[in-house]
Amino acid sequence: DIQMTQSPSSLSASVGDRVTITCRASQGISNYLAWYQQKPGKVPKLLIYAASTLQSGVPSRFSGSGSGTDFTLTISSLQPEDVATYYCQKYNSAPPLTFGGGTKVEIK
Amino acid sequence: EVQLVESGGGLVQPGGSLRLSCAASGFTFSSYSMNWVRQAPGKGLEWVSYISSSSSTIYYADSVKGRFTISRDNAKNSLYLQMNSLRAEDTAVYYCASALFRGVIISPFDYWGQGTLVTVSS
Repeated sequence: DIQMTQSPSSLSASVGDRVTITCRASQGISNYLAWYQQKPGKVPKLLIYAASTLQSGVPSRFSGSGSGTDFTLTISSLQPEDVATYYCQKYNSAPPLTFGGGTKVEIK
Repeated sequence: EVQLVESGGGLVQPGGSLRLSCAASGFTFSSYSMNWVRQAPGKGLEWVSYISSSSSTIYYADSVKGRFTISRDNAKNSLYLQMNSLRAEDTAVYYCASALFRGVIISPFDYWGQGTLVTVSS
């Protein structure tokens, strides 16, 4: 099975900072990569699919890039409402539809 | 407005069974594949099971294979998860989630329900 590894597992940054989260697949998955945001006590929300396509309604400060095995989620200017745990997920094939371990983003 | 509402969670003893339901509304349920995803307390997301729009294709995570059964009733706009031989490690909030794209075999998850808590404990 393909493993999805996120780094870092947590980070603390200031409002306005540029934040980058990395997701690495153990094998190539082309661009079949999604990113989800889960705010504390809330349901996960789809942010990005196909590695770089922003889901409707998602603020433009979020962006995704990568292909093959290495992917990044970038928040260009961190806002207080971005405090959340972010998960990547591969969907090139099933089973399984593996999620990464998550990256918790906090405000410094 | 799309709505996914899970029900059926609760406290069950190890070895017991539980059936979860997910009632869908606001979209053409029969056109979309569906999934169950779980989240143990304080832990990350774990995909559990997938069912295609017509029920012709079903997948399970290795951790639940042989114990859980996913099904759907398109006439009732409902998704189900029959959980047997439950273990303490199955304790989690269980979410149903719909595919982003209709008709595509594998798709990211667009809409999520609020989840139902399953606690396996004696």
